[in-house]
Amino acid sequence: KQEVTQIPAALSVPEGENLVLNCSFTDSAIYNLQWFRQDPGKGLTSLLLIQSSQREQTSGRLNASLDKSSGRSTLYIAASQPGDSATYLCAVHDYKLSFGAGTTVTVRA
Amino acid sequence: NAGVTQTPKFRILKIGQSMTLQCTQDMNHNYMYWYRQDPGMGLKLIYYSVGAGITDKGEVPNGYNVSRSTTEDFPLRLELAAPSQTSVYFCASSYSPSSGLSTDTQYFGPGTRLTVL
Repeated sequence: KQEVTQIPAALSVPEGENLVLNCSFTDSAIYNLQWFRQDPGKGLTSLLLIQSSQREQTSGRLNASLDKSSGRSTLYIAASQPGDSATYLCAVHDYKLSFGAGTTVTVRA
Repeated sequence: NAGVTQTPKFRILKIGQSMTLQCTQDMNHNYMYWYRQDPGMGLKLIYYSVGAGITDKGEVPNGYNVSRSTTEDFPLRLELAAPSQTSVYFCASSYSPSSGLSTDTQYFGPGTRLTVL
């Protein structure tokens, strides 16, 4: 059974600092990995999708890496802003999407 | 496009009551999903559908039922509500060009917050 872990559960940084969010998974036989953003009381918004054959994916200030053999992904957010405050969820896709519990990020102005 | 819409946004039920959570998507996606999210936990898949008339169980289907009579709609029915069903419910949809596994991005609705007392 796929287990997805995100550490830390919460993170607080001053504005401008780079964010590093970690995700680990137990079964490397995946099709892809996705990072989502969830704002309080809202649904999930897909940020990046990395195919299993890719090593990284970039979108603006966001960069996600994937090391399938070690079962790890990292989401980097450069030059954080207060608007980046949210919960970030990692999900791996084998025969279904398996989610981590998320990392709640607070960016202090 | 409205994307994925869910109603109601909030609901309080008494133990033993029944209700239907509505989900509609206007993206012509063939795949639709229902998840629940408990505090501090990841989302867990309840049921999914690969197209109209076809549904299948996910990880936590007990206490729930679904139907898919149209491409757009995927209602989730709770029979005999229990406190353990207190959760936030998310509907999602995605597209797959074949009837096989859909690995494309899933688009989520805003959620329904359900409390069972």
